[in-house]
Amino acid sequence: DARVTQTPRHKVTEMGQEVTMRCQPILGHNTVFWYRQTMMQGLELLAYFRNRAPLDDSGMPKDRFSAEMPDATLATLKIQPSEPRDSAVYFCASGPDSTDTQYFGPGTRLTVL
Amino acid sequence: SQQGEEDPQALSIQEGENATMNCSYKTSINNLQWYRQNSGRGLVHLILIRSNEREKHSGRLRVTLDTSKKSSSLLITASRAADTASYFCATAAWYSGGGADGLTFGKGTHLIIQP
Repeated sequence: DARVTQTPRHKVTEMGQEVTMRCQPILGHNTVFWYRQTMMQGLELLAYFRNRAPLDDSGMPKDRFSAEMPDATLATLKIQPSEPRDSAVYFCASGPDSTDTQYFGPGTRLTVL
Repeated sequence: SQQGEEDPQALSIQEGENATMNCSYKTSINNLQWYRQNSGRGLVHLILIRSNEREKHSGRLRVTLDTSKKSSSLLITASRAADTASYFCATAAWYSGGGADGLTFGKGTHLIIQP
């Protein structure tokens, strides 16, 4: 069963530290998405890629967040410097197309103290 | 921006009863999807209904779509304790320029099935 994997599953860090989250999309999927989920805001789209090219990162705070796909098997989301308000669960999802079914990873639960 | 809005926000029913959740959206869509999220897990795709379809079934799930009212409903029949989860609708819309816009998720309905 092909699955989206994410590492780490949990991360606790102190304010000001850099955080890097990684995602391995399902092989053959050409779209990759990063979401953030909080109780207050629900599920927010941060960035998405098609064929490794960034298509939309308008949901991402540009001054501290960056998303990349160095190759087809790896997507990264970095926060530098991290702040307590970044505490959330971050999900990666991949899909055959941007309007098609998305397959979610298990998420990275980030706590910034 | 929030496109789909689920209603109710929370629903508690007895095992064996049917559960109905609704989703309303604002703009034209390509398709609408329902996802389930168990506590502490990622979202799992349940069903996709295209804008030219009115009803779709998958096992105990029935989804309807009314594009004139910009609404959809998810019916879970003969509910089980394992159906306890949050359910999200997600709409696939189009940029005004013609490209696909990805999915926009609502805030979900939290469903509790009492044994």
